[in-house]
Amino acid sequence: AQTVTQSQPEMSVQEAETVTLSCTYDTSESNYYLFWYKQPPSRQMILVIRQEAYKQQNATENRFSVNFQKAAKSFSLKISDSQLGDTAMYFCALPQETSGSRLTFGEGTQLTVNP
Amino acid sequence: SQTIHQWPATLVQPVGSPLSLECTVEGTSNPNLYWYRQAAGRGLQLLFYSVGIGQISSEVPQNLSASRPQDRQFILSSKKLLLSDSGFYLCAWSVPQTVYTFGSGTRLTVV
Repeated sequence: AQTVTQSQPEMSVQEAETVTLSCTYDTSESNYYLFWYKQPPSRQMILVIRQEAYKQQNATENRFSVNFQKAAKSFSLKISDSQLGDTAMYFCALPQETSGSRLTFGEGTQLTVNP
Repeated sequence: SQTIHQWPATLVQPVGSPLSLECTVEGTSNPNLYWYRQAAGRGLQLLFYSVGIGQISSEVPQNLSASRPQDRQFILSSKKLLLSDSGFYLCAWSVPQTVYTFGSGTRLTVV
């Protein structure tokens, strides 16, 4: 069975600084997607970034980038120039092997950006 | 463009009362549909998913049921709510190998 582990329940960062959120996973698939979702206090789930496992280049979306280490099964999210609006719960997610579409989520990391 | 609607946003129901939460998707055909539940400050637990009309798979045995009467409509129901059914319920849709899109959620409090 596949698993997604986020080992940092809570993190904090000062505004304008950089923070990295960790995620490790386990899957027997060779080709898959990985996702980071953000859930602000409104509780709306918002896609932050997506990585395709067969692509060696790390995905980047403006201030958000990933460090994808396929062999190590590690998928960390780096947030540069942190903003107050980045305060949210962040979830790492991986499609389940049996369906390819059901997502397995990590337990989340609560990120607080301090002024 | 594709949109997902979920309602109501907030619901307070007494123990033993029925429940019906509705989710509809626009702008796509034959999506996969999902119901998730989230306890406060925790991760998401998949409750039900559907790959087509009338096709429902349950991930966790519980007091809830789901139905998909139309291609883009997904309903979460209960005949008699329990206190433990309280939580935040999220509907989502996807096309295989693409991004999940979530509804805005329903905060259910059973009293």
